[in-house]
Order: sequence, then structure tokens, then C-alpha cells
Amino acid sequence: GAVVSQHPSRVICKSGTSVKIECRSLDFQATTMFWYRQFPKQSLMLMATSNEGSKATYEQGVEKDKFLINHASLTLSTLTVTSAHPEDSSFYICSASRPDTSGTDTQYFGPGTRLTVL
Amino acid sequence: GQNIDQPTEMTATEGAIVQINCTYQTSGFNGLFWYQQHAGEAPTFLSYNVLDGLEEKGRFSSFLSRSKGYSYLLLKELQMKDSASYLCAVSPSAPTTDSWGKFQFGAGTQVVVTP
Repeated sequence: GAVVSQHPSRVICKSGTSVKIECRSLDFQATTMFWYRQFPKQSLMLMATSNEGSKATYEQGVEKDKFLINHASLTLSTLTVTSAHPEDSSFYICSASRPDTSGTDTQYFGPGTRLTVL
Repeated sequence: GQNIDQPTEMTATEGAIVQINCTYQTSGFNGLFWYQQHAGEAPTFLSYNVLDGLEEKGRFSSFLSRSKGYSYLLLKELQMKDSASYLCAVSPSAPTTDSWGKFQFGAGTQVVVTP
């Protein structure tokens, strides 16, 4: 159990275009999902917390108008990178929270999306 | 503030044992998690500890001491495929609506397994 998928796995786009990344929890419902970004040889950086049915909470320094998050159902959250530029090229990873039998929320990660903006 | 510390890199030979330490200072505590991340891939969940003591899962074991703010991940019978970055993450307690379930991640420990 606890499978999280992401689509697409890899995308190359031209500067100025928008890219949508989907994150799905396949075998559990996730009230909360998280979006991270990771540059080569650096640690995970949390971008935002996505809550089903409400607005996302963005970390300091992350532009909410540039990184649009929608969490319309308990199994799907989407991240749209609007007007992408080369500096947005990165590895984007989502995670979904699932409580275990003791009530602890464990984050399970999707496989990631590698975005390259030309 | 929140602080998670773990060594940057460790090297060990195939078949050996390696212990990755993690110390933390967070505003409350609701669990400590270990993830494995191979280069170019997303993290995969290994284990978590909520109570003090040792949790064993096959070749991997994780230990927690909440009073000391300390955990370690023990990798036994190392295999070449264990070469990866190992991330320590803490879930702080007293979540607010905006912070529910957020983890504080360490920078990761790169484990290099040599033949």
C-alpha cells in the first residue's frame, strides 16, 4: 500500500509556457499532499502544502501566482508552473500523507517530475 | 528554530555495517522518519520511530531517544545497491491547520558502498 504516482515523469518545454504536474495517491486517500523541489545535489525544499478542498499553504519565498496548486479530490493534487523560465528547471516531487495505525502521518513520495525549460 | 543534523557522507565496504546518526531540535515531536534516495530518484520510505527504542526491518534498523533528540539508522550486510542518500526527517508536534504533517528534513547522508 501507499503508492503515489506522478505524471509526467519528464517534461521539456519552451520558456514562457505553463506545465501541469499531477500527483495521485493510488491506494489511499490523502487529505494533505506536499510539493517539493530539489536541485542537483541539494536537499529537498518544501514549496507548499496542498490541502483537499482549501487553498494551498506556500512556504516563504515561493510565489503562489507562479506555482498554482489545486487539490480538488482526496487522491489528486496538481502543480502548475506558469510562464516557466530556465531557472524553474528542477526535479519536482510530491508526497501524500497517510496515517498509520498509531495515527502518525507518514509521507509517501511520488517518483518525481524532471522539468527542463529551454 | 528547527534543526536536523546528520553527517554529509559515509563510506563503507560491502557486507559491513554502517550507522547514520541524526540529531534534532524541533518545536515538539510527533515522529522521526528515515528515507532512502537514490541519485535522480524520489525518496522512498524506510522506517519511522515514535517511541524510544529500536525498530528492526530486515537489514535496516532505526533507533530513537526522544530525551536526547537523537536517532540512528543502522544498515547491516551492506550491498552495493545501498549506495544512496539517507534522509532523516522529523514531524514536529502541535500542528496548526497550516502546518499539519509538515516534515523537517535533514540535508541527507550520502552512503558510498565500496566493493
